[in-house]
Amino acid sequence: DVKVTQSSRYLVKRTGEKVFLECVQDMDHENMFWYRQDPGLGLRLIYFSYDVKMKEKGDIPEGYSVSREKKERFSLILESASTNQTSMYLCASSLGSGSGNTIYFGEGSWLTVV
Amino acid sequence: QKEVEQNSGPLSVPEGAIASLNCTYSDRGSQSFFWYRQYSGKSPELIMFIYSNGDKEDGRFTAQLNKASQYVSLLIRDSQPSDSATYLCAGAGGTSYGKLTFGQGTILTVHP
Repeated sequence: DVKVTQSSRYLVKRTGEKVFLECVQDMDHENMFWYRQDPGLGLRLIYFSYDVKMKEKGDIPEGYSVSREKKERFSLILESASTNQTSMYLCASSLGSGSGNTIYFGEGSWLTVV
Repeated sequence: QKEVEQNSGPLSVPEGAIASLNCTYSDRGSQSFFWYRQYSGKSPELIMFIYSNGDKEDGRFTAQLNKASQYVSLLIRDSQPSDSATYLCAGAGGTSYGKLTFGQGTILTVHP
């Protein structure tokens, strides 16, 4: 079974703090993704990575950065957290390029910024 | 215009009925479509994907794709209360690296 693990499930951070969300997958997948999910807005792509050290902006990259130093690990960084970044963050991975590749999600990280 | 659109519902059906969930997409380059189920407070889990025109069946689930009409649907036969969840439709383009664009999801409630 594919396993995508998000180490932090529930976090409460203060405005202005730097926040790291870590994600690890164990299936040697090429692609990794960070989404956020908000009521009424659905799933929105923040960043994705198709190879080590490679990254591309998704639909809502502002206020976020990412790091992929190893194939299995993809980190989302909030340089200076703000209250509008309170959300559920979902990490995902898929096997390769092109369409038809199933995305597998981690369990989600619930972030509250106060 | 959203690239993938779903009726947010909620859709309510009685137990044992057929639930029909619909999705339209605007990007004609989209080649594959996915249906995910998401229970409240949980992450999405894949139900099935489809990339050819026509129907694809898996147990109680049937996905239908009509590329000419840019329309995808999911039928759930013999609906059970445990099917109550949000159903997400997603499309994948032909070029990007497996990137999926999701609809907003349809809330389905199956009542006994």
